[in-house]
Amino acid sequence: AQSVAQPEDQVNVAEGNPLTVKCTYSVSGNPYLFWYVQYPNRGLQFLLKYITGDNLVKGSYGFEAEFNKSQTSFHLKKPSALVSDSALYFCAVRLGSGTYKYIFGTGTRLKVLA
Amino acid sequence: DGGITQSPKYLFRKEGQNVTLSCEQNLNHDAMYWYRQDPGQGLRLIYYSQIVNDFQKGDIAEGYSVSREKKESFPLTVTSAQKNPTAFYLCATRLSGETQYFGPGTRLLVL
Repeated sequence: AQSVAQPEDQVNVAEGNPLTVKCTYSVSGNPYLFWYVQYPNRGLQFLLKYITGDNLVKGSYGFEAEFNKSQTSFHLKKPSALVSDSALYFCAVRLGSGTYKYIFGTGTRLKVLA
Repeated sequence: DGGITQSPKYLFRKEGQNVTLSCEQNLNHDAMYWYRQDPGQGLRLIYYSQIVNDFQKGDIAEGYSVSREKKESFPLTVTSAQKNPTAFYLCATRLSGETQYFGPGTRLLVL
């Protein structure tokens, strides 16, 4: 079955430290991968995507993600966390070619401690 | 959130009542989606529409209905058949590329 997994419900990191939010996927064909961020009672905001090309993708607000085909992972990273990065983060994947359906992970709550 | 409007922000439903959530966009995007968000479950697809006058069921369509009479609008009706409607509902759009853009959401509560 096609799926996206975010193995950590919550990640805590000190301000100024690097952060990683993990995502693994299982889809047929080439994956189209996305990261979104959600602040309380708001919609999701697009951060970055991987379609093809360089495995390291840079996105908004200093975030980046690394696509690893052999490990079927797409971890979100940031070199230096800010308190304002505290939010709910979702990984998503588009299912197969010819369909524009997406599946989302269950989300990881990031808490950056001052 | 940009050019996607969802209304109302909060909606209260009485038992046995149908309610309609509005999603309007001025982005000229072709595709529109409805998702349901429950704590700890991520987003689940209810319905989606690639073009006007066409839509497909998602993974949890039972108890919901939609229409797509105009490109700008994709209203979602939560019918009385949906026994557990309390959730945060998100509308999204997509142009021709891969990225979805989300509205601000509507929180539906049952009285």
